[in-house]
Amino acid sequence: EVQLVESGGGLVQPGGSLRLSCAASGFTFSSYSMHWVRQAPGKGLVWVSRIKSDGSSTNYADSVKGRSTISRDNAKNTLHLQMNSLRAEDTGVYYCARSSNLDYWGQGTLVTVSS
Amino acid sequence: DVVMTQSPLSLPVTLGQPASISCRSSQSLVDSDGNTYLNWFQQRPGQSPRRLIYKVSNRDSGVPDRFSGSGSGTDFTLKISRVEAEDVGVYYCMQGTHWPRTFGQGTKVEIK
Repeated sequence: EVQLVESGGGLVQPGGSLRLSCAASGFTFSSYSMHWVRQAPGKGLVWVSRIKSDGSSTNYADSVKGRSTISRDNAKNTLHLQMNSLRAEDTGVYYCARSSNLDYWGQGTLVTVSS
Repeated sequence: DVVMTQSPLSLPVTLGQPASISCRSSQSLVDSDGNTYLNWFQQRPGQSPRRLIYKVSNRDSGVPDRFSGSGSGTDFTLKISRVEAEDVGVYYCMQGTHWPRTFGQGTKVEIK
């Protein structure tokens, strides 16, 4: 069974940093690209970032480009999102999702940016 | 960026009746490989999103056959042939052809 479990969310002050993680199991992690998607409270889905299966290529939404870094450890079946210079508008639930067409999603981890 | 526009944004439906959601993209979603990467997701209240349809019309495993996807180019539709209580939630289209990936605003399906 495919499982994606996010962690690392929490309350952080504006300008602070946070590192999100997504632990994957039930499939060959190194064979799939992975994505992060954000959902602000009561709002819709916003795509954030993607990393290719071998980590050789990454893509970012303009809203996080230059402030966030997506990475993966295929030996540990783990996906990360390092977020710096956090702003109030980064607040939301962050989901990791598998594959080019986002076929499986985790339960999400909540990030709150507030003073 | 490719803008995905869904309509309607709110869809009250009677149980057992059909429902239809439109999704239009600001650019063609036909990829250089010939595929059209248009996906549909369902998000039930309090749950994570779940993919229903990929590449316009392919139903995911376990998705009831009352859900169907159609369309081409820039114009796509998700249809529910007979709405059931468990179909309540928000439905999103998402394009997987162009960077950055983009979602529609979401369509909230509720029972009348």
